[in-house]
Amino acid sequence: DTEVTQTPKHLVMGMTNKKSLKCEQHMGHRAMYWYKQKAKKPPELMFVYSYEKLSINESVPSRFSPECPNSSLLNLHLHALQPEDSALYLCASSQATGDEKLFFGSGTQLSVL
Amino acid sequence: AQSVSQHNHHVILSEAASLELGCNYSYGGTVNLFWYVQYPGQHLQLLLKYFSGDPLVKGIKGFEAEFIKSKFSFNLRKPSVQWSDTAEYFCAVHFSGTYKYIFGTGTRLKVLA
Repeated sequence: DTEVTQTPKHLVMGMTNKKSLKCEQHMGHRAMYWYKQKAKKPPELMFVYSYEKLSINESVPSRFSPECPNSSLLNLHLHALQPEDSALYLCASSQATGDEKLFFGSGTQLSVL
Repeated sequence: AQSVSQHNHHVILSEAASLELGCNYSYGGTVNLFWYVQYPGQHLQLLLKYFSGDPLVKGIKGFEAEFIKSKFSFNLRKPSVQWSDTAEYFCAVHFSGTYKYIFGTGTRLKVLA
């Protein structure tokens, strides 16, 4: 199994809603990532978890809250988002052994109204 | 500041034409270099990577890339493109010893049958 699975594929939410994005991998990878990708732009790193501990937070606003409940799961909790947060949110994983080849999920297309 | 530049944003080629996509980065430390590809409707996937050793690396589907350290470049090449190579191509730099990646802005390649 070389897949990174993200749910939901599409999400529409209002600015007062609370929602969560989910990501799962069963490749035994110990590093998991959240990226944000706006249309026609490259992916931008948001968070990295390494061995279930937050390793990198790229100064992301607190309305985005990551969580890594175990080595296979990564969540991104969303609260009080702004319309400019509308984007494709990508999850990725890597082995965390120095060979940081990323495996990407298909993403969640988020629209904030 | 660390950055990755891809000079060609849109490229249109006929089948059997040769391809070269430019990628330059600015960072003085040790890096690992990647090209990722995103086919229409699919997720980002690894095309090829350079960690060390022979600066000419070969990837899937006949692609290759050459790392020229003195020029901070990692250009992607393919001698003869096919219609199925139509995709968006991202150059990415991974900073050794970290989980940090920076992606280039991407090149949209369209191959005409």
